[in-house]
Amino acid sequence: DAGVTQSPTHLIKTRGQQVTLRCSPKSGHDTVSWYQQALGQGPQFIFQYYEEEERQRGNFPDRFSGHQFPNYSSELNVNALLLGDSALYLCASSLRLGGTNEKLFFGSGTQLSVL
Amino acid sequence: AQTVTQSQPEMSVQEAETVTLSCTYDTSESDYYLFWYKQPPSRQMILVIRQEAYKQQNATENRFSVNFQKAAKSFSLKISDSQLGDAAMYFCAYRRRNNNDMRFGAGTRLTVKP
Repeated sequence: DAGVTQSPTHLIKTRGQQVTLRCSPKSGHDTVSWYQQALGQGPQFIFQYYEEEERQRGNFPDRFSGHQFPNYSSELNVNALLLGDSALYLCASSLRLGGTNEKLFFGSGTQLSVL
Repeated sequence: AQTVTQSQPEMSVQEAETVTLSCTYDTSESDYYLFWYKQPPSRQMILVIRQEAYKQQNATENRFSVNFQKAAKSFSLKISDSQLGDAAMYFCAYRRRNNNDMRFGAGTRLTVKP
């Protein structure tokens, strides 16, 4: 049973560029959440997707956007990259029951470096 | 706003000994969940243990147990019989019921000495 898979594992971009990160949820899961983990800090919630819609969003600017596909996989897009966007981006999947997601399964993340 | 504080940036324990990691949180809510996650060098966050705020009984998972003090807003993790594989970053996290925004502390790096 494959867990949460993310691609690519590492990425280097230049300021002002755009980037797309990808996530495939654990088999049987229908919800995907994205987190940003800056160096030396805990993860911060970016947003969550369920039924191909953004259901909840953290305190991140509109430069951060996402998408969920019918097969439940998801993309995170970041436009106009800033140096401060350099971080580990974690995807977490879960099964939505009664409107909440009780247990998150995380991927190993994409390490984004913005130069 | 809900915040989670881990006051120990680093902790060290001898193999087979017991160690306790501290966590405090700030919230005005009464119904929420608390978690401890482990992040090894592979970077994958792994759930160690989970506590529901309305349950007074402390959660346990094999060698891992918590001391949940709701009034004091404290949630410490005790690791018994520490093993080399326990070495990792440990994050305390909080989430309100019916809310998907999980708040994490800054983490505690645990070293296990053979």
